[in-house]
Formats: sequence, C-alpha cells, structure tokens
Amino acid sequence: AQKVTQAQTEISVVEKEDVTLDCVYETRDTTYYLFWYKQPPSGELVFLIRRNSFDEQNEISGRYSWNFQKSTSSFNFTITASQVVDSAVYFCALSEEYNTDKLIFGTGTRLQVFP
Amino acid sequence: DTAVSQTPKYLVTQMGNDKSIKCEQNLGHDTMYWYKQDSKKFLKIMFSYNNKELIINETVPNRFSPKSPDKAHLNLHINSLELGDSAVYFCASSQALAGGFSTQYFGPGTRLTVL
Repeated sequence: AQKVTQAQTEISVVEKEDVTLDCVYETRDTTYYLFWYKQPPSGELVFLIRRNSFDEQNEISGRYSWNFQKSTSSFNFTITASQVVDSAVYFCALSEEYNTDKLIFGTGTRLQVFP
Repeated sequence: DTAVSQTPKYLVTQMGNDKSIKCEQNLGHDTMYWYKQDSKKFLKIMFSYNNKELIINETVPNRFSPKSPDKAHLNLHINSLELGDSAVYFCASSQALAGGFSTQYFGPGTRLTVL
C-alpha cells in the first residue's frame, strides 16, 4: 500500500543551524515521483521539488538540498543555515505510476526557526 | 497574475446551509483538483478533473459536488453542511508530463468554518 511517513511532527532550531526533515515512503510501483511542499504560516502550499524514481542524484537549490535513497525508501530534505523565514510546515508527497493524478501526502513536519 | 485562485478565502456558515467555493487557474493546465486539509494539517485528495471530466472521486460524501464549466475552472458545491466539514479546502492544477506524471500547483486555500 502507498504511504508517506514524516515521523518528525515538530522541529525547533535556532537560526543558522542546519536541519534535516525526514520522509520515508512505501509504494509497490517501480515508477513514481516524490515531492516536497512548504506551507508557511500564511497557509498557501508552495511547490519545492519533484524527483522521479529513476533519478537518485541529490539536488541542491541554494540553502535547500534533497537526498533521495531508494535503498531506504527515503527522500530527506535539508535546510542549511536556517532562517526565520523557513518556519513552516513541510510536506512530503508521493505520486504513483498507476494513479499519476493522486498525490499522497505525509502528515507534515512543522519547522520553527527561532532568531 | 495569480496562477491558481480561490474564492472566498474565508467562509463561515451555519450547519445545514449550502455553500460553494470557486477555483480558477490561468496556467493553461488541463487537470484540476480539490484537496481537504483537516485540523491536524492532514491533506487528502477529494476530486480531480481532466478537461472537465471527473477522474478521481475519493469516497467523498455526495453532499460534495464538483463542477467544471471549463478546464480553467473547478468549483466545489457543498450541500447540508456539517460541523465535520470545517477544514481548509485547496484547489490545485497540473499539466501532464511524459508518463502522465505532473506537478500540482495549489491555490491559497479556503478556510471553511461550520458553526
């Protein structure tokens, strides 16, 4: 059965600390996509990244980086030198080949960055 | 130049009433969605429409009826509102990529409160 687990409910860090948000997924498909979305306190959902199951290269975008490991079914998200503006709820999501329109979300990790 | 817009942003109503939420996207996408985010922030898909045709209906009570007058609009009508319908409702849209996968872009959400 398809499932996305974000075991960290809430993480608090002080500005400039690095923080990693964990995401573990389950799927029976060999072809799938993984996503991260950010939901800041204002409430909107902002797309951050999409990664397909055949591309295990790590991705870096500014202070953000993603580590995809099929061997452990994980797609972790690291913020380097965190800032107060990074405070948000972050969602990991999965889309499978047999049902490409359906995004299966994890329960989210609330990140609080204190000055 | 908002990509996916929803109206209203906030909706407060009494139990038993009927209400509608409107969604419009100007991205030229051919698929639109409705998601429900409950009080614990859990996001779950309700419906998806592709070119005005219903694709996904995730065991949502039939008090919820989506309507797509054209591929840029997907409205959500809710009859006989119940307390449990209180949630944030997100509209999203996407354009299919190779293999059918896509990235979904979300609207700002509509916070529905049923009293």
